[in-house]
Amino acid sequence: GQNIDQPTEMTATEGAIVQINCTYQTSGFNGLFWYQQHAGEAPTFLSYNVLDGLEEKGRFSSFLSRSKGYSYLLLKELQMKDSASYLCAHMDSNYQLIWGAGTKLIIKP
Amino acid sequence: IAGITQAPTSQILAAGRRMTLRCTQDMRHNAMYWYRQDLGLGLRLIHYSNTAGTTGKGEVPDGYSVSRANTDDFPLTLASAVPSQTSVYFCASSDGPGANVLTFGAGSRLTVL
Repeated sequence: GQNIDQPTEMTATEGAIVQINCTYQTSGFNGLFWYQQHAGEAPTFLSYNVLDGLEEKGRFSSFLSRSKGYSYLLLKELQMKDSASYLCAHMDSNYQLIWGAGTKLIIKP
Repeated sequence: IAGITQAPTSQILAAGRRMTLRCTQDMRHNAMYWYRQDLGLGLRLIHYSNTAGTTGKGEVPDGYSVSRANTDDFPLTLASAVPSQTSVYFCASSDGPGANVLTFGAGSRLTVL
């Protein structure tokens, strides 16, 4: 079967670094995605990994290990506006997205 | 501003009533999707369309129908609403099936009493 897990909630301090982990099980793999969703708003695309390694994009980086079924999203120099839910999703062999339930990130001053 | 427009933003509906959620995109994307989002669960795909004139069933299609008469519009219909269909519904689009990035509409919050 297919499964994807991420922590329900995390808390971090403004200016700090936080790592949000995501593990998945799948019979086929065509990429791992991270989306950001502010409360009451639509998800917006953050990153896409299809090969192992780290993809850096400004304050946000995403890492993938296909052999371990593992990804993380790293957020540096946290700002209050980073308070949001972060959704992990993998694309299966049929090119359908399988979504995790999301990690609610709370940033404290 | 290019993007996806959903309507209504919010709706309260009596059980048994018929409801259509509208979705229009102006990006000329080939693929369109309907998801529902419920607390504690990931986004779940209801129906999708890879191109105008074709539709397919997602993970949770029962009780819902869609049509794709043209590239821009992808309405979702609840033929006879039930309380378990209370949810936030997101329409999304992408360049094509398997394309990397989904663009989402702002969502439609539906409450079925």
